[in-house]
Amino acid sequence: DTGVSQDPRHKITKRGQNVTFRCDPISEHNRLYWYRQTLGQGPEFLTYFQNEAQLEKSRLLSNRFSAERPKGSFSTLEIQRTEQGDSAMYLCASSLVSPGGGVTSYNEQFFGPGTRLTVL
Amino acid sequence: AQSVTQLDSHVSVSEGTPVLLRCNYSSSYSPSLFWYVQHPNKGLQLLLKYTSAATLVKGINGFEAEFKKSETSFHLTKPSAHMSDAAEYFCVVSDRASGTYKYIFGTGTRLKVLA
Repeated sequence: DTGVSQDPRHKITKRGQNVTFRCDPISEHNRLYWYRQTLGQGPEFLTYFQNEAQLEKSRLLSNRFSAERPKGSFSTLEIQRTEQGDSAMYLCASSLVSPGGGVTSYNEQFFGPGTRLTVL
Repeated sequence: AQSVTQLDSHVSVSEGTPVLLRCNYSSSYSPSLFWYVQHPNKGLQLLLKYTSAATLVKGINGFEAEFKKSETSFHLTKPSAHMSDAAEYFCVVSDRASGTYKYIFGTGTRLKVLA
């Protein structure tokens, strides 16, 4: 157990429905990352937060995806109007980066167990 | 742009024989490199990380990796494979150049251990 939790662990939904996932990072970590892993592939970066600010979004993150980290603690990832191509494992990770831009522990990221989404 | 290439998508070894999983990296900065393992239906677990303090890095469960700048490689090794080592292994570079420190994963190597 890394200390990062994700909920739910599994989600099955029908095409066109909206889904929301939650990630609770390690409490003192100021950075939170979302990744997506499809079958047989390595995880791919989606977006990340420094505290409550969303600083970068991958081009993989279509306008149907939105992520928030309202108080710089937990984060949510919402997918609207799900498509079958959204079926994947969604991974959350957290890390601690010093405010001056330096690196703590070489930005080792701690991963949650993931949320597996199946869109029927 | 930073990237990693895992040279083998599948590796099979017999129990008790050495393991070698190959990774080459591309980075304009002094790289931050990691190896993670993912067992079926389990989360990603850090095996080891390169922090520039030493080129030979020791990790958990008897794994090691050697950073070779001249070859831009960071291969993962273990002297003697155990059945419990069967899993997917990912080589990762952290994107320090952009300041995001996001992880860039290789495509993974599936290790099979034969009895």
